[in-house]
Amino acid sequence: DARVTQTPRHKVTEMGQEVTMRCQPILGHNTVFWYRQTMMQGLELLAYFRNRAPLDDSGMPKDRFSAEMPDATLATLKIQPSEPRDSAVYFCASGFPVQGSDVTFGSGTRLTVV
Amino acid sequence: AQKVTQAQTEISVVEKEDVTLDCVYETRDTTYYLFWYKQPPSGELVFLIRRNSFDEQNEISGRYSWNFQKSTSSFNFTITASQVVDSAVYFCALSEESQGGKLIFGQGTELSVKP
Repeated sequence: DARVTQTPRHKVTEMGQEVTMRCQPILGHNTVFWYRQTMMQGLELLAYFRNRAPLDDSGMPKDRFSAEMPDATLATLKIQPSEPRDSAVYFCASGFPVQGSDVTFGSGTRLTVV
Repeated sequence: AQKVTQAQTEISVVEKEDVTLDCVYETRDTTYYLFWYKQPPSGELVFLIRRNSFDEQNEISGRYSWNFQKSTSSFNFTITASQVVDSAVYFCALSEESQGGKLIFGQGTELSVKP
């Protein structure tokens, strides 16, 4: 089965450090999403790309978060500088949502900022 | 604006009981898609089903069934003869064509199936 691969699975970092999360979407999928899951806010959309172009990043704190797709096989989410309130599980997903296909999620990156 | 409401925060049942998880959505689009995902204790999000707005046929897959009713803007999920392995958080999500297909999730329903 094709899968979305996220690295690292777990990350513990100190406040102020840069964090980079990586995602390899399923080959051929034209849309890539980044979501954040917390107990308080649930599943929030941070940003998403279609054909590698950013469509919407309004869910991200712009001053510290950035999302890119340097190529079709890699999406990155960076936090600089990280803060304790960024502690959450970050999910990447890919699919053809406008065409009504399944949207497949990766296993997530559990980030802890101390 | 798109919105998904899962009014049941937690449900607890005993094994072999049937259970229905409710999902109500709001949309102005005529073309949209509805999804259900399962999140077991291990944390991954597992795709269960996708439905488009033009297909109101109910669907059954083993012990799982889904009831899509446009008249009440609902897409409910029933598990028949529940099992302990069904214990998880279940999310309903909406994707609108006009919004570029982004998925908006409900808050989730935590299902606990006790032996």
